[in-house]
Amino acid sequence: SAVISQKPSRDICQRGTSLTIQCQVDSQVTMMFWYRQQPGQSLTLIATANQGSEATYESGFVIDKFPISRPNLTFSTLTVSNMSPEDSSIYLCSASTAGGEKLFFGSGTQLSVL
Amino acid sequence: GIQVEQSPPDLILQEGANSTLRCNFSDSVNNLQWFHQNPWGQLINLFYIPSGTKQNGRLSATTVATERYSLLYISSSQTTDSGVYFCAGKTGGYQKVTFGTGTKLQVIP
Repeated sequence: SAVISQKPSRDICQRGTSLTIQCQVDSQVTMMFWYRQQPGQSLTLIATANQGSEATYESGFVIDKFPISRPNLTFSTLTVSNMSPEDSSIYLCSASTAGGEKLFFGSGTQLSVL
Repeated sequence: GIQVEQSPPDLILQEGANSTLRCNFSDSVNNLQWFHQNPWGQLINLFYIPSGTKQNGRLSATTVATERYSLLYISSSQTTDSGVYFCAGKTGGYQKVTFGTGTKLQVIP
């Protein structure tokens, strides 16, 4: 299994600002992902964080709004840019191990935008 | 992409009761997992079960891949079982894991 540390755990931000969320895994993992969970909803994949190259974004998510970095096999960041109240959600980092089977999650970042 | 429907959407149980949660997929999946999201938001991977049956304590899961569904059984429920249960899967060689709609479970003393 993998232990994933995510920070900050929560934040309250002003409209128009940006927030960077950090994700640290305790072991090298092949795949890292970023999900969004809106209140009372299921999880939606934002993007796959690729080590050493640009992230792969899902439909409806763009790099300018959600830039992602993954400089090595254990660390990734997600930035939520130019925030609006519609960005208020839980953002979750996840990773899968070498076999690409089980998915593990960080504790999430509760973001509120005023 | 695949569609993942879960039933029931909401469930209230008396402590000690048993329950079955169902997950239906619109297409064949080769990677099926069950998760529990506790009331504080933490997601825990319960099972990786692309086919067959697995058991872990009071929980067990069965996946019938040919019929595109999976079941999660909770026996002798406890208040700590409360939260939301998600199934998730992916198809073919595609890396994206799609999550189901979720079942919100409340276990009352």
